[in-house]
Amino acid sequence: KQEVTQIPAALSVPEGENLVLNCSFTDSAIYNLQWFRQDPGKGLTSLLLIQSSQREQTSGRLNASLDKSSGRSTLYIAASQPGDSATYLCAALSNFGNEKLTFGTGTRLTIIP
Amino acid sequence: EADIYQTPRYLVIGTGKKITLECSQTMGHDKMYWYQQDPGMELHLIHYSYGVNSTEKGDLSSESTVSRIRTEHFPLTLESARPSHTSQYLCASSEESPWEYQETQYFGPGTRLLVL
Repeated sequence: KQEVTQIPAALSVPEGENLVLNCSFTDSAIYNLQWFRQDPGKGLTSLLLIQSSQREQTSGRLNASLDKSSGRSTLYIAASQPGDSATYLCAALSNFGNEKLTFGTGTRLTIIP
Repeated sequence: EADIYQTPRYLVIGTGKKITLECSQTMGHDKMYWYQQDPGMELHLIHYSYGVNSTEKGDLSSESTVSRIRTEHFPLTLESARPSHTSQYLCASSEESPWEYQETQYFGPGTRLLVL
């Protein structure tokens, strides 16, 4: 059974700083690793998807990396802004009888102006 | 960008009532999903569908049922609501990607259910 862990559960960072969010997964037999953003009271927005054969993906100020062998992924946010404040979730797509996403509990990020 | 809608956004209801949470998407996606999320906890898949007349149970056991009569609709029903059903319910959809395992799920805004 796949388990996804995100540490820390909450993080506060001054505006303008670069930061890294961590995600770990127990079973390296994944198809892809995805990062989502969730704003309070809203659904999830997909940020980045990294295929199992890839090492990283970039979108604007966001860069996600994947190390399957160690069961880790990181989301790097450059030059943080108050609008980046949200909960960030990672999810691993695995095949345990059916292809499904296993989500972590998320890291609640607060950017301090 | 996918458009996926959920109604109601918030629902407060008494124990024993029957409720239906609506989910609809306008992108013609074949795959649709229902997740349950408690505050501060991870999302758990409770139902999914790969197309019309296809429904499967997810990992988390749920007393709810779903139907998929039309591609765009994937309603979730609780025949008799209980306080233990209090949670947030998120609907999502995805389309078949020509590139293997490149599917992104698009989420609705969620329904926050409170059963008294």
